[in-house]
Amino acid sequence: DTAVSQTPKYLVTQMGNDKSIKCEQNLGHDTMYWYKQDSKKFLKIMFSYNNKELIINETVPNRFSPKSPDKAHLNLHINSLELGDSAVYFCASSHSREAEIPNTGELFFGEGSRLTVL
Amino acid sequence: QKEVEQNSGPLSVPEGAIASLNCTYSDRVSQSFFWYRQYSGKSPELIMSIYSNGDKEDGRFTAQLNKASQYVSLLIRDSQPSDSATYLCAVEGVGRRALTFGSGTRLQVQP
Repeated sequence: DTAVSQTPKYLVTQMGNDKSIKCEQNLGHDTMYWYKQDSKKFLKIMFSYNNKELIINETVPNRFSPKSPDKAHLNLHINSLELGDSAVYFCASSHSREAEIPNTGELFFGEGSRLTVL
Repeated sequence: QKEVEQNSGPLSVPEGAIASLNCTYSDRVSQSFFWYRQYSGKSPELIMSIYSNGDKEDGRFTAQLNKASQYVSLLIRDSQPSDSATYLCAVEGVGRRALTFGSGTRLQVQP
């Protein structure tokens, strides 16, 4: 029973196209994230949602638009894809604990979505 | 300066040896520290967390934290070939509510 699931796992597309990646978690967590991992394995936060509210929006081009219809889902839509968008995109979730250390509980990652822009 | 820095490696150790992985961070008020392991083509998985100065042991793994030096390390005793992976150091700052990752150290355990 997959805890954090992403679809699709692989995505090959042409420059200029628009694509979406979907993420769902069944762990009952209240916080979800999108991370981007480039070819050098650097894992960088893009967005974070807590109970459907955007709480982190890093310096990401406007072409990237996250959407959280409910706290179990966080989707990522990318417009006008560019070569530099090629990467593995990981969705993750955690149980936020504001008054505790750590605030961010253990991150549970999805399997990743490998995006290749040609 | 990167927020979380790790030597990319690869770090190569013989089977049965101790592997020592290091990480430094720039935000002095960071409060929580994590080590994730990522096998090639897979997603990261948590192996250790540490919040207080000193050592924390869990099986063959020991995490060490020195907040004054802004340094966190992971020791793997009796290294096995199955430990060969990339180890990602992650740091949570105060009020950050997300983890900042280093670029990872690739560990190779030679049989």
